[in-house]
Amino acid sequence: KAGVTQTPRYLIKTRGQQVTLSCSPISGHRSVSWYQQTPGQGLQFLFEYFSETQRNKGNFPGRFSGRQFSNSRSEMNVSTLELGDSALYLCASSLTGQDTGELFFGEGSRLTVL
Amino acid sequence: SQQGEEDPQALSIQEGENATMNCSYKTSINNLQWYRQNSGRGLVHLILIRSNEREKHSGRLRVTLDTSKKSSSLLITASRAADTASYFCATDAIGFQKLVFGTGTRLLVSP
Repeated sequence: KAGVTQTPRYLIKTRGQQVTLSCSPISGHRSVSWYQQTPGQGLQFLFEYFSETQRNKGNFPGRFSGRQFSNSRSEMNVSTLELGDSALYLCASSLTGQDTGELFFGEGSRLTVL
Repeated sequence: SQQGEEDPQALSIQEGENATMNCSYKTSINNLQWYRQNSGRGLVHLILIRSNEREKHSGRLRVTLDTSKKSSSLLITASRAADTASYFCATDAIGFQKLVFGTGTRLLVSP
């Protein structure tokens, strides 16, 4: 069974640009969560999607958005990039949601904002 | 903040020694999980312990949970160089429907 796939793995953007990251969950998993990881703040929860609906959201500005498609694939978008958005963005999938068991993580998308 | 705190922040040991890391959290939980992350990679689930459990084993891993003290510990016995990684606890707090990760412990196991 294929794991969680995130694309792209690495990308470099400049301030003010926008970026879209993609996540394909494990087949059959309906929940996709996104986390931002930085050296200073650690792992911060961005949002969780379940059956195309955003079920939970972290404390991030509106520049951070996401969506989930009918095949459970998810994308997150960051608009008007700032230097502080440089981070490893991790996607995780699970069968039914965060409150029922383990999360399966992808390898992450490392974003550098110049 | 709900975020758990882990102690120590960094731990350096020799192969064959045991490694113990601790996690403290702030709110009542449904379960607590431990994850491992190799440098710059994704996280890998190690073990889940439910709030009504006190101890759980998986291979060389032993996890304890003390809900009265809101703390957990992860013991890795007979460490190997391949255990070098960061270890995170994550709490599923009641009512929050999301996993909140701790600050992590960086473990270095030297051959």
